Amino acid sequence: AQSVTQLGSHVSVSEGALVLLRCNYSSSVPPYLFWYVQYPNQGLQLLLKYTSAATLVKGINGFEAEFKKSETSFHLTKPSAHMSDAAEYFCAVRGSGAGSYQLTFGKGTKLSVIP
Amino acid sequence: EPEVTQTPSHQVTQMGQEVILRCVPISNHLYFYWYRQILGQKVEFLVSFYNNEISEKSEIFDDQFSVERPDGSNFTLKIRSTKLEDSAMYFCASSEAKTSTEAFFGQGTRLTVV
Repeated sequence: AQSVTQLGSHVSVSEGALVLLRCNYSSSVPPYLFWYVQYPNQGLQLLLKYTSAATLVKGINGFEAEFKKSETSFHLTKPSAHMSDAAEYFCAVRGSGAGSYQLTFGKGTKLSVIP
Repeated sequence: EPEVTQTPSHQVTQMGQEVILRCVPISNHLYFYWYRQILGQKVEFLVSFYNNEISEKSEIFDDQFSVERPDGSNFTLKIRSTKLEDSAMYFCASSEAKTSTEAFFGQGTRLTVV
């Protein structure tokens, strides 16, 4: 069984400031981890994914995330926020083994960027 | 760029009515999913579909729900007798293969049951 906890349902940052969105997971098997972004009135777009290769994963739009097994975390960061980053961000987990292909999502974090 | 498309974007229906939500997965994908998100809650897995049959389903996916691939391109979710608590955003997704690490999501259908 897997679960995801995203700390903070709403995060506000100033334009140019560091973005840090937190995600902790639990999984009974080695996990695959994902960050998805949802812009208003759009679907879920994959930002980046961890699939047991490098623990520091780089994604689109300057985002990256680091898998830390000891902390069961997969926090999303971006050094400098842009106005266009305002969206809702979802962390998700699935098992890496056979027979567990469904994604388990967190509740999402809405990111606001203040000019 | 190939994308998953869902229709309609918003559907309003009366309680007790049947609704069909439609999805066109990416053309060479073989594995299909439905997820839903009740307002303010998590995105939840409903069902996955492969080789013309259900592969996995969650506890939410009870007898009022069914899925079908009626032709080579569409993938549908039917809710037989809608309840107020079925109001949610429904997302369709597809992936190339069962073991693909990435699922591609559509933009969602917002279902409102009144």
